[in-house]
Amino acid sequence: GAGVSQSPSNKVTEKGKDVELRCDPISGHTALYWYRQSLGQGLEFLIYFQGNSAPDKSGLPSDRFSAERTGGSVSTLTIQRTQQEDSAVYLCASTLVAGTGANVLTFGAGSRLTVL
Amino acid sequence: DQQVKQNSPSLSVQEGRISILNCDYTNSMFDYFLWYKKYPAEGPTFLISISSIKDKNEDGRFTVFLNKSAKHLSLHIVPSQPGDSAVYFCARGGGSNYKLTFGKGTLLTVNP
Repeated sequence: GAGVSQSPSNKVTEKGKDVELRCDPISGHTALYWYRQSLGQGLEFLIYFQGNSAPDKSGLPSDRFSAERTGGSVSTLTIQRTQQEDSAVYLCASTLVAGTGANVLTFGAGSRLTVL
Repeated sequence: DQQVKQNSPSLSVQEGRISILNCDYTNSMFDYFLWYKKYPAEGPTFLISISSIKDKNEDGRFTVFLNKSAKHLSLHIVPSQPGDSAVYFCARGGGSNYKLTFGKGTLLTVNP
């Protein structure tokens, strides 16, 4: 597509439920990133994909968080047994080839997650 | 630890005046710094970058200055317009770094 598409745009869930957030990157972009922005905080790196593999998962906050990418395209971020501290805007970004030039990432509009 | 710090959470300026947004960093191992702008309910959008081999980069109303001895960079917006009101993030990365590390952002408000 023309831009990075994320769904849902808003998700309200109860504590303890599982959620899935989807990201559809720009067509042809090999690198895909997940970041999150909690209230009053900057953008926190979660995970990076090169193709379908994730060489860097160091930002995932706990083992309740997981992500996968299939076909070198769509990615899903899954949060199991959600907690209130998981409430944040989850942002997906992609770039053609990571680590080239300024490595400009193109972001989606984000998925706002609220855990009650 | 490659940290990026934006020490001013907010800045308010009058339309037509200059806006100066600041960013400090630790560790000199970097290739690029980038500035992103974020409106509410939208994703961050890339604004301008600067390479470590430069002191200044200019694009229209936006200029980024890099002071390597002070480990400091700044974004100048001249003249400021109400549509510039947004949160501005500085980030480091680029080159051999595959991920961007962001500061906490500065909320710029340009008053008509």
